[in-house]
Amino acid sequence: GAVVSQHPSWVICKSGTSVKIECRSLDFQATTMFWYHQFPKQSLMLMATSNEGSKATYEQGVEKDKFLINHASLTLSTLTVTSAHPEDSSFYICSARALAERNEQYFGPGTRLTVT
Amino acid sequence: AQSVTQPDIHITVSEGASLELRCNYSYGATPYLFWYVQSPGQGLQLLLKYFSGDTLVQGIKGFEAEFKRSQSSFNLRKPSVHWSDAAEYFCAVEGSSGSARQLTFGSGTQLTVLP
Repeated sequence: GAVVSQHPSWVICKSGTSVKIECRSLDFQATTMFWYHQFPKQSLMLMATSNEGSKATYEQGVEKDKFLINHASLTLSTLTVTSAHPEDSSFYICSARALAERNEQYFGPGTRLTVT
Repeated sequence: AQSVTQPDIHITVSEGASLELRCNYSYGATPYLFWYVQSPGQGLQLLLKYFSGDTLVQGIKGFEAEFKRSQSSFNLRKPSVHWSDAAEYFCAVEGSSGSARQLTFGSGTQLTVLP
């Protein structure tokens, strides 16, 4: 149980285009989902926290107009990177916190974004 | 706000040797503590977690960790390392309430296992 999926697993896009990444909790309902990014040989950095049905809370330094987060249901959150630039190339990982287990996040496998 | 320090960027051990990865945290109250492992290009796998109770926590793959409040530490140990344990290890802390209820990760320790 407690499986989180991400789609796509990797994507290459051209500079200036937008890319959408999906995060789904497959076998549980998640009131809260988190988005992280991880640059090569670095740790995970929290970008934003999203609660179902409400606006996401962004960490300091993360542009909310560039990284659009939609948490439309208890099993789906999306991250859209708008007008992507090469410096947005990173590994994006989502996690979800289950309703019944308030103290643990379950992580997706990550999405590798390369902007050319 | 909470913080995590993993002092060792890279550790190399021989297969069969014992392992200890260090983790120190900063948080005003009792934290929730986690150890995750990440293989290249993969997501995170939870090895073990501490919320309360027994300070020695057993995890998967033969790992254990001990919470020491006096030292603000949560070091990860394994008595005999296998080649498949080579990966990046992250310690993480979560506060128990309010805005602290999000994971903060350490910088990670890269483990290399020699045959």
